[in-house]
Amino acid sequence: DAGITQSPRHKVTETGTPVTLRCHQTENHRYMYWYRQDPGHGLRLIHYSYGVKDTDKGEVSDGYSVSRSKTEDFLLTLESATSSQTSVYFCAISESGSGGVSDTQYFGPGTRLTVL
Amino acid sequence: KQEVTQIPAALSVPEGENLVLNCSFTDSAIYNLQWFRQDPGKGLTSLLLIQSSQREQTSGRLNASLDKSSGRSTLYIAASQPGDSATYLCAVRTGANNLFFGTGTRLTVIP
Repeated sequence: DAGITQSPRHKVTETGTPVTLRCHQTENHRYMYWYRQDPGHGLRLIHYSYGVKDTDKGEVSDGYSVSRSKTEDFLLTLESATSSQTSVYFCAISESGSGGVSDTQYFGPGTRLTVL
Repeated sequence: KQEVTQIPAALSVPEGENLVLNCSFTDSAIYNLQWFRQDPGKGLTSLLLIQSSQREQTSGRLNASLDKSSGRSTLYIAASQPGDSATYLCAVRTGANNLFFGTGTRLTVIP
């Protein structure tokens, strides 16, 4: 299994509070991704990173920000959590994002976030 | 926007049966297509990745095919086992930040 951990694994918070989720990898992969998974929507890309300090938006980036100060860590921040952000959040990594076999994505175990 | 559809949403088969899972996508301009399995409460596990220039990939009892022109991929599972029970997801990549997932097919293999 690819070495990807996510913390925390479960979190319950209140509307309006800031929340930071952490993804840590030991594979030295260049690309890192944050997804959310919701019933009926499947997985949707929030943000991704293609290197240290290099990030870009995905399909559902509103209300989220990210940072990557080290190769191994990718942080997802909800500045002011809302109930619509209740979801399961997955981190993924890949060696590349350009179409070859090294695009294979490996996923972390997920973080279940509940915003009350 | 790319739309990825997986039909059926759920499938039950007896152990030992061969089966096919379907994935269709609306825009044929893809980099690659990847199949995953997801067990309840777990993350996704990569099964196979097919590059846009390839027609199929095989791994053990799994064979995935890709027909870009018709916007279809199939995942063939031979001699199904109860341990194959999971949700199977396909995803297409159309760019570095453009990855689109289907909502999955939940497979149950009955002993």
